[in-house]
Amino acid sequence: TAGITQAPTSQILAAGRSMTLRCTQDMRHNAMYWYRQDLGLGLRLIHYSNTAGTTGKGEVPDGYSVSRANTDDFPLTLASAVPSQTSVYFCASSEGGISTDTQYFGPGTRLTVL
Amino acid sequence: GQNIDQPTEMTATEGAIVQINCTYQTSGFNGLFWYQQHAGEAPTFLSYNVLDGLEEKGRFSSFLSRSKGYSYLLLKELQMKDSASYLCAVRDSNYQLIWGAGTKLIIKP
Repeated sequence: TAGITQAPTSQILAAGRSMTLRCTQDMRHNAMYWYRQDLGLGLRLIHYSNTAGTTGKGEVPDGYSVSRANTDDFPLTLASAVPSQTSVYFCASSEGGISTDTQYFGPGTRLTVL
Repeated sequence: GQNIDQPTEMTATEGAIVQINCTYQTSGFNGLFWYQQHAGEAPTFLSYNVLDGLEEKGRFSSFLSRSKGYSYLLLKELQMKDSASYLCAVRDSNYQLIWGAGTKLIIKP
């Protein structure tokens, strides 16, 4: 099984441009998450979705939006990119609703905003 | 505020034992996770603790003391492939994971 895939692997984006980071999972997990990882900081939650059709804001949601039209896909959109959004973005998924509820991560997208 | 503290970097010798500590202050507690992350790769799940005590899984063990807000990850018989960052994360009262910045472990021959 592929698990979680993310696209693109890396991208250089001009400030002010929009971009969608794609995330697809084939594990039929209910919950999905978007994190950013910056040097010296822990993973920070941007947005999450507990089930298809619902989304919620995490710790750092400003400048980002998400949708969850179906179970498998959870795209992250930057409407107008700024240099502070330069980061590595990880998508994750989990079964949801169970006590252990381990999160599994995609390979990440390295985004540079110039 | 919520806070997870881990040492930034540790060095150990191949074949030895190393203990990576994690202390936390969070709004609520619903379990503690350890993940391994090799450079340039995604985090991968290592262990989960929700009750006090030691959980052993092969060469890796994880300990939790909820009253002290403390956990450690113990790695035995270190191998070069164990060179990675080790991330501690606590699930808070909202069932969101709060992550530490990670401990970079360097293994020397």
